[in-house]
Amino acid sequence: GQSLEQPSEVTAVEGAIVQINCTYQTSGFYGLSWYQQHDGGAPTFLSYNALDGLEETGRFSSFLSRSDSYGYLLLQELQMKDSASYFCAVRDGAAGNKLTFGGGTRVLVKP
Amino acid sequence: GAGVSQSPSNKVTEKGKDVELRCDPISGHTALYWYRQSLGQGLEFLIYFQGNSAPDKSGLPSDRFSAERTGGSVSTLTIQRTQQEDSAVYLCASTLAGVGDTQYFGPGTRLTVL
Repeated sequence: GQSLEQPSEVTAVEGAIVQINCTYQTSGFYGLSWYQQHDGGAPTFLSYNALDGLEETGRFSSFLSRSDSYGYLLLQELQMKDSASYFCAVRDGAAGNKLTFGGGTRVLVKP
Repeated sequence: GAGVSQSPSNKVTEKGKDVELRCDPISGHTALYWYRQSLGQGLEFLIYFQGNSAPDKSGLPSDRFSAERTGGSVSTLTIQRTQQEDSAVYLCASTLAGVGDTQYFGPGTRLTVL
């Protein structure tokens, strides 16, 4: 089976940096994804790591260490609009593109 | 439209009634997924369609749940004899198979079972 763990909530101020960690246990592993979901909205794709290392996309970066079954999402220069829930998800290649999601980390950005 | 659409956006039903939820994926996307999200929780996988292959139904919580995908496009999720614990947001996503893990989600259907 699959299981993912991430913190339930993080609070930070505008302009700060937040790191959301995700550890996973999977029977197969083909990549770690991150999705953002605003209250009442649909999840939207942020990033995907299939190989070890850091992927940078603007203010957001994602890191993966396959040997440690660990990844993180880094949110830099936090803005109020970044207040949302962030989910890590793993793809079990044996199941095609089916994703198993973590429980989500709620990020609250304060002025 | 350009994105995934779902209907209805909200559905209130009485316990024991059947409901049908509809998903229109992005045109050309061969893979379609249904997830369920309870309030404040993560996404729970329900079922996955990929092209003409047999669907992966491993996430369906009971035999009251079923889904079909007609013509490789529109999908309908049916819940029979609804229970209060079925209350949740039902999300549909589609993807262009083979392109990483970018799943495009619809706005969801909020189901409330009274």
